[in-house]
Amino acid sequence: AQSVTQLDSQVPVFEEAPVELRCNYSSSVSVYLFWYVQYPNQGLQLLLKYLSGSTLVKSINGFEAEFNKSQTSFHLRKPSVHISDTAEYFCAGGGQAAGNKLTFGGGTRVLVKP
Amino acid sequence: KAGVTQTPRYLIKTRGQQVTLSCSPISGHRSVSWYQQTPGQGLQFLFEYFSETQRNKGNFPGRFSGRQFSNSRSEMNVSTLELGDSALYLCASSLEGGVYEQYFGPGTRLTVT
Repeated sequence: AQSVTQLDSQVPVFEEAPVELRCNYSSSVSVYLFWYVQYPNQGLQLLLKYLSGSTLVKSINGFEAEFNKSQTSFHLRKPSVHISDTAEYFCAGGGQAAGNKLTFGGGTRVLVKP
Repeated sequence: KAGVTQTPRYLIKTRGQQVTLSCSPISGHRSVSWYQQTPGQGLQFLFEYFSETQRNKGNFPGRFSGRQFSNSRSEMNVSTLELGDSALYLCASSLEGGVYEQYFGPGTRLTVT
């Protein structure tokens, strides 16, 4: 079965420092991978996605993620975080072999400190 | 375009009651998926409706049910509420559904006492 694992439940980071959120997935077939962000008392917002093509995908607000098939990873990075990046981040994946539905990781709570 | 809307935003019910939650997808989207979010279990998939048909279902008991109307609006019903049903229920709409990108509503916070 498809599973998505986020290796860190919480990541404290200082403002303007880099951050990496780790995500691993299990699948032996093609997958689609996503990162979502959830701000307090809100729903999830799509941050970026990998469907096919270039393995490096970028969002408009400075985040990027790299699809690494050999390591079955899709880590999210940002070179310099802002206070406003404080939120919970979810990695999600899916594919036809996984029943054609999305499976979410447990989430990583990012706390940006001034 | 207006985003996904969910009503009500907050709900308090007692054990044994039933509840109906509503979701209006983005205009033109035919797929609506429902998720349950709790601190202990995280985000769990409930079911997906596409063009009024349930296309996919998660591992939840039969007390959880849903439906979709011809205008793509969807409702989710939980009967015989249990304390463990307290959660944030999120609805997501998508053009094609399945594993393609989904757009989430703000959620309905259900508290069962």
